[in-house]
Amino acid sequence: QVQLVQSGGEAKKPGASVKVSCKASGYTFREYAITWVRQAPGQGLEWLGWISTYSGNTDSAQNVQDRLTMTTDKDTTTAYMELRSLTSDDTAVYFCARGGPPMWKFDLWGQGTLVAVS
Amino acid sequence: QSVLTQPPSASGTPGQRVIISCSGSSSNIGFNPVNWYQQLPGTAPKLLIYTNSQRSSGVPGRFSGSKSGTSASLAISGLQSEDEASYYCAVWDDGLRGVLFGGGTKVTVL
Repeated sequence: QVQLVQSGGEAKKPGASVKVSCKASGYTFREYAITWVRQAPGQGLEWLGWISTYSGNTDSAQNVQDRLTMTTDKDTTTAYMELRSLTSDDTAVYFCARGGPPMWKFDLWGQGTLVAVS
Repeated sequence: QSVLTQPPSASGTPGQRVIISCSGSSSNIGFNPVNWYQQLPGTAPKLLIYTNSQRSSGVPGRFSGSKSGTSASLAISGLQSEDEASYYCAVWDDGLRGVLFGGGTKVTVL
């Protein structure tokens, strides 16, 4: 079954870090990039960044690039997103999605991980 | 406020046609392909339309996309109750060097 399964919700204090995992299955992991998107409560979608599962190259949004680290483990076909120095503004549901440049077509999504900062 | 402008809401009765607009600029929609996503309440987004007008696998034919200049549109023909959801346009922005999402349009089936 082709799917992305994310880790469970997290409750964090301001200033802490959070690491969310995204396990891919049912397809060839290295053939598709992984993109991270978040959605604050009642708000729209916000692109955070992407990682090439083939080369490990990353690129991220300017407003989080200093705090965001994206990695992958090819052996376990899992992508990770770590966000540091959390504030209440980081409270959101974090999604991983399959897809990256050049089409930026996200055709498979994880179920989402709620990160609550307070 | 998003750089991509969508109306916050749209509505129609079953069977009607609803059109959702997405207005951008030359740094995004003007030169890059637009994708559309549907998000049902409490669920992850789902790819509907990619590269301006291509329907994703399994998406009903009543959904169609188009692009002209710096604007794009998503049309839902023959509106059904299960189409009640939020819809987002998305596109790469050459200036910001990132993917932009529109603010989203909540479609209500009356």
